[in-house]
Amino acid sequence: AQSVSQHNHHVILSEAASLELGCNYSYGGTVNLFWYVQYPGQHLQLLLKYFSGDPLVKGIKGFEAEFIKSKFSFNLRKPSVQWSDTAEYFCAVVLGGGADGLTFGKGTHLIIQP
Amino acid sequence: DTGVSQDPRHKITKRGQNVTFRCDPISEHNRLYWYRQTLGQGPEFLTYFQNEAQLEKSRLLSDRFSAERPKGSFSTLEIQRTEQGDSAMYLCASSHGLAGGHEQFFGPGTRLTVL
Repeated sequence: AQSVSQHNHHVILSEAASLELGCNYSYGGTVNLFWYVQYPGQHLQLLLKYFSGDPLVKGIKGFEAEFIKSKFSFNLRKPSVQWSDTAEYFCAVVLGGGADGLTFGKGTHLIIQP
Repeated sequence: DTGVSQDPRHKITKRGQNVTFRCDPISEHNRLYWYRQTLGQGPEFLTYFQNEAQLEKSRLLSDRFSAERPKGSFSTLEIQRTEQGDSAMYLCASSHGLAGGHEQFFGPGTRLTVL
């Protein structure tokens, strides 16, 4: 079965710092990849997704992620974070075709200090 | 609000009781998913439906867990003889399938506390 590893469980940054959250998955076949975010008191919402094509994916709120197949990675980046980016971030994977349930990582709790 | 809705938002029950949660997906979505999330973990996939057909149920945590989607619209998740270890957030998600690129939209969840 596939699994997802998120390397950083807690990250604290100052406003305007650059962000990179690591995500690695274990499945060797075709996968679809997602980053979800959960802001305090809100439910999960999609930041970005990769299905095929350009491995550099742009999402909402200035986030982007790069799919590196050889490294089984899908790291999330943002060049300059804001206080409002404080949230829990989850990486998720589903086998190619995308019809099955998502396998999530444990999440990264990001705190942005003003 | 046309998002995924779940009811109730919170449920407190005593060990051994049965509980049932409801999920109403986005109206045009034909796929519906159930997940469980415990503290400090990501959501854990339980089961999913395409229309009224339950296409995956091997991940349901035990035979105390069951789900239905009788008319292909709303779904219910039932836990029989609840145990303290069942305390968690239960999440529902829906997707449009192929047309929507399989993006899953999540509801606010039902938080279950088993005393």
